[in-house]
Amino acid sequence: QIQLVQSGTEVKKPGASVKVSCKASGYSLNRYGISWVRQAPGQGLEWVGWISGYNRNTNYAQKVKGRVTITIEVSTNTAYMELRSLKFEDTAVYFCARDARSYGSGSHTWLDPWGQGTLVTVSS
Amino acid sequence: EIVMTQSPATLSVSPGEGATLSCRASQSIGINLAWYQQKPGQAPRLLMYAASTRATGIPDRFSGSGSGTEFTLTISSLKPEDFVVYYCQQYNNWPPEDTFGQGTKLEFK
Repeated sequence: QIQLVQSGTEVKKPGASVKVSCKASGYSLNRYGISWVRQAPGQGLEWVGWISGYNRNTNYAQKVKGRVTITIEVSTNTAYMELRSLKFEDTAVYFCARDARSYGSGSHTWLDPWGQGTLVTVSS
Repeated sequence: EIVMTQSPATLSVSPGEGATLSCRASQSIGINLAWYQQKPGQAPRLLMYAASTRATGIPDRFSGSGSGTEFTLTISSLKPEDFVVYYCQQYNNWPPEDTFGQGTKLEFK
């Protein structure tokens, strides 16, 4: 069974950093891309960034570029999203989601499955 | 950035009726469009990909159509569990730079 299990709730102060994990089971992270998507309270879905499972290439949303880093740790089959210099408006549930299909290093598809989500609250 | 615009924001319908949800892209995305259903407190669930292909386990009450910039999700014979929020997503760009519509909420009429 393919599953993504994320780390728990985080509460951080403005200016701090947070690192959210996404542990994959049932498949190898080496073969599929992983996206991170966030959802502010009561709002819609916002794409944050993506990492290739093949070559670790990344791309990030302009809104968070320079503050976000997505990585993969092969030994534990876990993806991470680190967000630095946190702002109040970064308060959201952060989801990881896998590319549903793998067509090689130059591909990206729709997202399935998704992790359960991690609430990150930025509060002073 | 490709902007995805969903309409309407809220759709009031009755159980047993049908519903048509629209999604428009600011530029052509071929058929690189997915639809997701999100229930309160849960992660989004894939309904449709490649604009018109149902995901595994999705009942045939759900159908998708469109290409280029105009897309539609149609739900026939609405059940009570269908009254939640639906999002479209484009995954056309390379390198990836996905965008989502703002969502359509189905509510009881």
